[in-house]
Amino acid sequence: GENVEQHPSTLSVQEGDSAVIKCTYSDSASNYFPWYKQELGKGPQLIIDIRSNVGEKKDQRIAVTLNKTAKHFSLHITETQPEDSAVYFCAATYFGNEKLTFGTGTRLTIIP
Amino acid sequence: DTGVSQNPRHKITKRGQNVTFRCDPISEHNRLYWYRQTLGQGPEFLTYFQNEAQLEKSRLLSDRFSAERPKGSFSTLEIQRTEQGDSAMYLCASSGRQGQETQYFGPGTRLLVL
Repeated sequence: GENVEQHPSTLSVQEGDSAVIKCTYSDSASNYFPWYKQELGKGPQLIIDIRSNVGEKKDQRIAVTLNKTAKHFSLHITETQPEDSAVYFCAATYFGNEKLTFGTGTRLTIIP
Repeated sequence: DTGVSQNPRHKITKRGQNVTFRCDPISEHNRLYWYRQTLGQGPEFLTYFQNEAQLEKSRLLSDRFSAERPKGSFSTLEIQRTEQGDSAMYLCASSGRQGQETQYFGPGTRLLVL
């Protein structure tokens, strides 16, 4: 089955700087890659996703890149703000497989 | 659009007791998922429903766990004879019709087994 690895496990950046979180996946059939943000005591909230027919997707300060050949994808957050502090999870699946396989999470701390 | 809701939000029980959680998905979504999340880990898939049919169950879902979605709307997850290892956050998610893979999560039910 699918295995998703996520790095780093913790990340601290100064407010205003950029943050990058990387994930690798094992199943070459995977073609859908969502990113979730989870705040303390809450459920995961979808922040951006990408399908394998595109290499990059942007939404304001957030972008995701996908390298299908290398089987890795990354989350980029620019101009970080204190409210970006949370745990971020990447996940992978393929159309027809209803199960999302998650990475182990990255705790992002924005230092004011 | 009211998001996914879960009740209760917190549950403390003694080992050996039965517990039941409820999930109400986004109203037009026909797919409903249960995941379990332990401290410091990502959510792990337990089971999913398309309408009222339970179509896949993870090996994590032991015989003590049962999930239902009788009318294709809300779902319940019951754990019988709880064990301390069942302590976790139980998350529910829903998604729309085929071709829309995005899963939207509820706030979760945090279970503590003493």
